[in-house]
Amino acid sequence: EADIYQTPRYLVIGTGKKITLECSQTMGHDKMYWYQQDPGMELHLIHYSYGVNSTEKGDLSSESTVSRIRTEHFPLTLESARPSHTSQYLCASSEYWAGNGYTFGSGTRLTVV
Amino acid sequence: QQQVKQSPQSLIVQKGGISIINCAYENTAFDYFPWYQQFPGKGPALLIAIRPDVSEKKEGRFTISFNKSAKQFSLHIMDSQPGDSATYFCAAAARGSQGNLIFGKGTKLSVKP
Repeated sequence: EADIYQTPRYLVIGTGKKITLECSQTMGHDKMYWYQQDPGMELHLIHYSYGVNSTEKGDLSSESTVSRIRTEHFPLTLESARPSHTSQYLCASSEYWAGNGYTFGSGTRLTVV
Repeated sequence: QQQVKQSPQSLIVQKGGISIINCAYENTAFDYFPWYQQFPGKGPALLIAIRPDVSEKKEGRFTISFNKSAKQFSLHIMDSQPGDSATYFCAAAARGSQGNLIFGKGTKLSVKP
């Protein structure tokens, strides 16, 4: 079944820790995206990728980094987590043209204490 | 500069009523207009989408109305149900470009029983 998976679903971590949020899709989509969203609020694009070895920063400045070594995998890393990073992180993917719609994962709810 | 303006920010409707959410855009190159529905703890999911060659598209209780000259489109939910309570996002994309979907800021809909 074609889908997009995010792990972990919930993460509580201490300040200063390094974390990686995982995102994988089985649809062979070229483009992948990371959004930051406070619950029920606006979607903020923080990173996206056109394909393997392509990464771009989004509209919202973020201290996170991403990599795209394989088509299906688009992990997001925070080198040193801070309480201000507490949020929900949503991964999405699409075909090269966005007009065929995005498929979103269920998100990772990150809490930094 | 926000390219897709969505209103209202929140909406309360009685069960059985009609919910109406509006979006306006400036970029005349946009030619794909989807609506996404997001329940708490989940990622947004594509609900219904329209292209500008039609003025209306209906799927069950959900209808998109599109006004090309006014550069506006709206989502109508007929016979609104408590299960429709969610956050709704409009979006737009331009055909043939590498552009991403541009999302509105979202509308939180509550349907009261």
